[in-house]
Amino acid sequence: GQSLEQPSEVTAVEGAIVQINCTYQTSGFYGLSWYQQHDGGAPTFLSYNALDGLEETGRFSSFLSRSDSYGYLLLQELQMKDSASYFCALRPPALKAGGFKTIFGAGTRLFVKA
Amino acid sequence: DARVTQTPRDKVTEMGQEVTMRCQPILGHNTVFWYRQTMMQGLELLAYFRNRAPLDDSGMPKDRFSAEMPDATLATLKIQPSEPRDSAVYFCASGRTSGAYNEQFFGPGTRLTVL
Repeated sequence: GQSLEQPSEVTAVEGAIVQINCTYQTSGFYGLSWYQQHDGGAPTFLSYNALDGLEETGRFSSFLSRSDSYGYLLLQELQMKDSASYFCALRPPALKAGGFKTIFGAGTRLFVKA
Repeated sequence: DARVTQTPRDKVTEMGQEVTMRCQPILGHNTVFWYRQTMMQGLELLAYFRNRAPLDDSGMPKDRFSAEMPDATLATLKIQPSEPRDSAVYFCASGRTSGAYNEQFFGPGTRLTVL
């Protein structure tokens, strides 16, 4: 089966940089995604790593290392509005043609302090 | 601004009643997912469809849950009979299958409370 591990909580100061780690166990997968969810809201897509390395999107970057079964989300210049839950997710190999199943981690709650 | 819509947004019902949740995916998306989110279990995939065909519903309790896509603009998730342990937020998400790309667009969710 597949599983993803994330820290349950992270606290950081406004303006700082924070890294949220995600380790996984799977026999194979297509890529690692990251989603953000504010309290009472829906998950929204942040980034996707199909290949090893760093993907940058504005203040957010995501990294993947398949050899280490590890990825992370890096948030720079933290703002109060970044306080939310962050989920890593992966798409395992399809059991059926065209399969698009996604497995989500338990989420990391980020608290940004002034 | 295209978005996934879900109805109802909130539902309170009594144990044993039937509950139907509806989702309108983004036009042009060919993949639809149903998720359930609770504090204890996190975000669980219940079922998903590609081109309206069910591909995987292994995450769904078969005896009481059913998911269908009667047409490309409507997906439904039905619980019959409902139980208190079904209380959760149910999200629908849609996406476009494109190689390995995996972006999913989530609806606002239906908060279900079963008394």
